[in-house]
Amino acid sequence: DAKTTQPTSMDCAEGRAANLPCNHSTISGNEYVYWYRQIHSQGPQYIIHGLKNNETNEMASLIITEDRKSSTLILPHATLRDTAVYYCIVRATNFGNEKLTFGTGTRLTIIP
Amino acid sequence: NAGVTQTPKFQVLKTGQSMTLQCAQDMNHEYMSWYRQDPGMGLRLIHYSVGAGITDQGEVPNGYNVSRSTTEDFPLRLLSAAPSQTSVYFCASSYLDRVEKLFFGSGTQLSVL
Repeated sequence: DAKTTQPTSMDCAEGRAANLPCNHSTISGNEYVYWYRQIHSQGPQYIIHGLKNNETNEMASLIITEDRKSSTLILPHATLRDTAVYYCIVRATNFGNEKLTFGTGTRLTIIP
Repeated sequence: NAGVTQTPKFQVLKTGQSMTLQCAQDMNHEYMSWYRQDPGMGLRLIHYSVGAGITDQGEVPNGYNVSRSTTEDFPLRLLSAAPSQTSVYFCASSYLDRVEKLFFGSGTQLSVL
């Protein structure tokens, strides 16, 4: 699976949009981009995933660049409860690749 | 529907002791896995299973054993605990064709003295 690079930490003001970048310049054509978050001391929580089209759900939006070498997770109106570590993961979904590898992620702090 | 249940939540062991961390899910998920998370680090995969009777190693399998006798349960055994195994352990499960959408338990904090 391709390697991802994320900033170690970011701050965002409450109520503003939080934009979390992820670089995955070696991504292959069959690899998806996934985002999880981990609120302090809890298990990680799935947020969203996509292949090449932008995706939106009730939690966030995922914007993937046209060359697919980077993506941005957008939390449109950040709240204090969005303070967490956010993981960007790239993985191929072919049978036999059942491992999901987490890096160290981005620690997002929402500031009141 | 309880999701993924891990027990115990906290455990203290002495070096050399053995114990089993329990993980159960009630979502009929084929895929189950164990991760460990050390302070300031991401999650590292220990073992995983794609169905009853099938297990495989992850990134850091040494010192741990698993078995999958039923779809619901995936216990993690520490045969002879070492201080290096002090960590938070998370169990996760998913449908086999949705491994990207893992459901995690609340974790077991293990200290080995």
